[in-house]
Amino acid sequence: KNQVEQSPQSLIILEGKNCTLQCNYTVSPFSNLRWYKQDTGRGPVSLTIMTFSENTKSNGRYTATLDADTKQSSLHITASQLSDSASYICVVRVSNDYKLSFGAGTTVTVRA
Amino acid sequence: NAGVTQTPKFQVLKTGQSMTLQCAQDMNHNSMYWYRQDPGMGLRLIYYSASEGTTDKGEVPNGYNVSRLNKREFSLRLESAAPSQTSVYFCASRAPPPLNIQYFGAGTRLSVL
Repeated sequence: KNQVEQSPQSLIILEGKNCTLQCNYTVSPFSNLRWYKQDTGRGPVSLTIMTFSENTKSNGRYTATLDADTKQSSLHITASQLSDSASYICVVRVSNDYKLSFGAGTTVTVRA
Repeated sequence: NAGVTQTPKFQVLKTGQSMTLQCAQDMNHNSMYWYRQDPGMGLRLIYYSASEGTTDKGEVPNGYNVSRLNKREFSLRLESAAPSQTSVYFCASRAPPPLNIQYFGAGTRLSVL
């Protein structure tokens, strides 16, 4: 069964600090990996999409990395802001299939 | 830019009652999806529609039915609600290749008592 595991389940950081979220997957065959941000009470919003050949992709203060060999991805948040408080969801797509496998998410709380 | 619009935002039902969750998108996307999100779990696909007039079961279709009314609208119906269907329901539409990004609505929070 295709699975996506995220860690930690939650974390609290101080405003201005950096943090890194982890995603391990067993999805095969792999097509691409996405990170979504979900604010409380809202739907998920896409942050990055990475294909097999991409190792790093940035979107502002968010940087995603992908190691397709070890089936691991990370999302690094630089200089966190209060608005970064949200759930971050790792999503993997299987090749030739538009269905997605979702991780349970990491809840990030940024405190002043 | 409305994107994906879901109604209602909140609903409380009694066991056995029926209701329809509405979803509409204004991005001219062919593919639309219904997911449920439960605490500690990733989103799970209930049904999806690759194009107007077609629907297919996802991972957890039992207890649900869908209708792809036209290209814009994709509704989810609970014929006889059960407490196990208490969840947050999200509708999404997918941009065509090469983008393939799914755009989500704000969700419907459903409680079945």
